Amino acid sequence: EVQLLESGGGLVQPGGSLRLSCAASGFTFSNYAMSWVRQAPGKGLEWVSAISASGATTYYADSVKGRFTISRDNSKNTLYLQLNSLRAEDTAVYYCAKDRSRIPLYYGLDVWGQGTTVTVSS
Amino acid sequence: QSALTQPASVSGSPGQSITISCTGTSSDVGGYNYVSWYQQHPGKAPKLMIFEVNNRPSGVSNRFSGSKSGNTASLTISGLQAEDEADYYCSSYTSTSTSCFGGGTKLTVL
Repeated sequence: EVQLLESGGGLVQPGGSLRLSCAASGFTFSNYAMSWVRQAPGKGLEWVSAISASGATTYYADSVKGRFTISRDNSKNTLYLQLNSLRAEDTAVYYCAKDRSRIPLYYGLDVWGQGTTVTVSS
Repeated sequence: QSALTQPASVSGSPGQSITISCTGTSSDVGGYNYVSWYQQHPGKAPKLMIFEVNNRPSGVSNRFSGSKSGNTASLTISGLQAEDEADYYCSSYTSTSTSCFGGGTKLTVL
């Protein structure tokens, strides 16, 4: 079964950091681009970041550029998102999602995890 | 990276057809055939329904179809069923090598 399992969410103070992980199983992880998408409470989806299958190319939304870092370890079938300088507006459920291609952003996200919740509050 | 524009809500009766629009610009929807549509039920993860404007992943009902004209993409659901009641989001590739979502549309099946 194709599956994505996020972890690492929690409560953090403004200015703090977190690292989210997404463990993949049931498919050849190294063959597919991956993305992070977030959803603030009661709000719509917001694309956050994407990474190519090899990990060589990364992409970020303007709202997180310079604060978040996406990476992947293909030997561990795991995707990461390092969140630094967190703000209240970063509070959201963070989903990892598998792209349909080696190159992200074009072809749609066909497998999604159940999400991990990040709450930024003092 | 402005969100794409979708109607906040649409509704229809069982068996009817509805269309959800997604309006962008020539820098996103209008410039590329890389529009996707997602369905999200409350408390659940999104599900890919349409990719590359008008293609359905395997397992998605053929009641769902997509199209595009100029800067506006559309999702049509025919033969509405109670289980179609959900939030729907469009997304598009953009000229700045990012992706953006629409604000979402709540579909109510009357």
